[in-house]
Amino acid sequence: DAGVIQSPRHEVTEMGQEVTLRCKPISGHDYLFWYRQTMMRGLELLIYFNNNVPIDDSGMPEDRFSAKMPNASFSTLKIQPSEPRDSAVYFCASSLTGTGPTGELFFGEGSRLTVL
Amino acid sequence: GQNIDQPTEMTATEGAIVQINCTYQTSGFNGLFWYQQHAGEAPTFLSYNVLDGLEEKGRFSSFLSRSKGYSYLLLKELQMKDSASYLCAAQRIDDYKLSFGAGTTVTVRA
Repeated sequence: DAGVIQSPRHEVTEMGQEVTLRCKPISGHDYLFWYRQTMMRGLELLIYFNNNVPIDDSGMPEDRFSAKMPNASFSTLKIQPSEPRDSAVYFCASSLTGTGPTGELFFGEGSRLTVL
Repeated sequence: GQNIDQPTEMTATEGAIVQINCTYQTSGFNGLFWYQQHAGEAPTFLSYNVLDGLEEKGRFSSFLSRSKGYSYLLLKELQMKDSASYLCAAQRIDDYKLSFGAGTTVTVRA
């Protein structure tokens, strides 16, 4: 079975440009999470969705960040305009509530963003 | 709120045992996860504890004490491939969100 698929794997862009990161969760999973990982702050939850509906976006750092989930198989995280401090690895993860509150997170390979 | 502490680095010899401690202060605590992350890769699930006690899974075991806000991950018969970062994560009962610690980098030496 395919795992969580993220694209692009690497993105280098200039400050001020728009960045769009994409995620395809594992089929049948009803929770989708966006995390950001940096050396300084570790793994931080940005936003998560349940059945395509955003449940908690309290971790989104600023209005420059937005996330959508138009259907059960696709989500985007957009940064506009991007800044050098947004440089990080962005992980998408999905989970299945059928496993109850012990729902294990399945992470994608991550998108490494560098903003110059 | 969430406050999760774990050591930054640990070094051990191949074949040895290493114990990674994690303390947490989590309102509405539900359970404790451990994830392994190799450099440049995604985190992968290792274990989950919701009740007090030890959960054993092969060479890896995880322990939880809810009253003490304490967990540890025990890695036995260390192998070179166990060199990785180990992330402790506390889960809340109201929304099941995970908050991760900064991770402990374990280096296994020959």
